[in-house]
Amino acid sequence: NAGVTQTPKFQVLKTGQSMTLQCAQDMNHNSMYWYRQDPGMGLRLIYYSASEGTTDKGEVPNGYNVSRLNKREFSLRLESAAPSQTSVYFCASSESPGPNSPLHFGNGTRLTVT
Amino acid sequence: AQSVTQPDIHITVSEGASLELRCNYSYGATPYLFWYVQSPGQGLQLLLKYFSGDTLVQGIKGFEAEFKRSQSSFNLRKPSVHWSDAAEYFCAVGAQGGGADGLTFGKGTHLIIQP
Repeated sequence: NAGVTQTPKFQVLKTGQSMTLQCAQDMNHNSMYWYRQDPGMGLRLIYYSASEGTTDKGEVPNGYNVSRLNKREFSLRLESAAPSQTSVYFCASSESPGPNSPLHFGNGTRLTVT
Repeated sequence: AQSVTQPDIHITVSEGASLELRCNYSYGATPYLFWYVQSPGQGLQLLLKYFSGDTLVQGIKGFEAEFKRSQSSFNLRKPSVHWSDAAEYFCAVGAQGGGADGLTFGKGTHLIIQP
């Protein structure tokens, strides 16, 4: 019973490099999310996909792009990484959009940009 | 827009002692309220939620929380903590009728358990 799976678990990038964080869920959820977690800041929403075929910006979208590849998969791309993007990234999913549908989180990707 | 305040960044309690973690929210109507727990190296897991009805809600792992509208609070409690409860705890608030981006998290409270 995997739930939400994120790859990779750890990544180190040099400034200017690009990478894609992968996320897949096996719960047949409609909505998927990308958050970043920084010390003392809690979780901040980067992008979300309310349903397959749609994506929208969250609170901190600058420097990121997303793709909802199909119902299961939602990827986050950093085109030109910056040290300010050093963070722990969490993917989450929910059965339906809206705050009344609890989130299910992956275990995170710890990204360091040097 | 709604907001969440968790006044305590760190809390230390002895194993077996009772626990209360504070959460205050700002929202004009009745909100959706959540507590999540994050163990080291893990993602967040839902402990409990309040949508409506009985203001005392029970969650997993022996936790409960009470919604107090007059105080705009949703404090998390546990009668007797175990060493495995050491973790980061996040309160979150959502607006009824809000969209998929409608959940706001607090900054978290780090719980330390003393033997």
